[in-house]
Amino acid sequence: EIVLTQSPGTLSLSPGETATLSCRASQTVGRNYFAWYQHKPGQAPRLLISETSTRASGIPARFSGSGSGTDFTLTIDGLEPEDFAVYFCQQYGNSPLFTFGQGTKLESK
Amino acid sequence: QVHLVESGGGLGKPGGSLRLSCVASGFKFRDYYMAWIRQAPGKRLEFVSYISNDNTFTHYADSVKGRFIISRDNAKNSLNLQLNSLRDEDTAVYYCARMVNTWLDPWGQGALVTVSS
Repeated sequence: EIVLTQSPGTLSLSPGETATLSCRASQTVGRNYFAWYQHKPGQAPRLLISETSTRASGIPARFSGSGSGTDFTLTIDGLEPEDFAVYFCQQYGNSPLFTFGQGTKLESK
Repeated sequence: QVHLVESGGGLGKPGGSLRLSCVASGFKFRDYYMAWIRQAPGKRLEFVSYISNDNTFTHYADSVKGRFIISRDNAKNSLNLQLNSLRDEDTAVYYCARMVNTWLDPWGQGALVTVSS
């Protein structure tokens, strides 16, 4: 099983700043098999990025994804008030089919 | 608008059963594989099960294999998860999600299952 480890656990930033969130896999993950989501309390998780760097429909351009191999990054350029949430990464594999990172909480400073 | 809404869940006793449902709208339900994902308190998300678009194939996480049953009714745009032989560790928020290639989109808002005597 591929384990995804996100860092930092909590990130405290102010609106307008840039957030850099990391997700490290215990084994190599293909770029087509990696995604990022945003999750706010009481709401459905929302797909942000698929296939490492492809923004989902309706996702603002301030969200970008990058990475390869075992290291992947989600960058949010110019934080908006609505961006403060939990972010988690996901990889698609064999067994189990989907595994997830433990999440990074992005909070307003 | 593509949308998933879960229902069911609630309080179940160890060894008991519960049923979750998920109704889809805004897309051709019969064309997509569907999945259940759960998140126990303080834990990361965990894949539970998925079902093929035509009901012919199902797959379960080892933690629920033999206890949970996934099913779907394409005529009603609905996905179901029957939770049997409940254990304390099944306590979680359960999400249904549409499988698109190698990612999940959209997700439902979640249904809480609490297992307690």
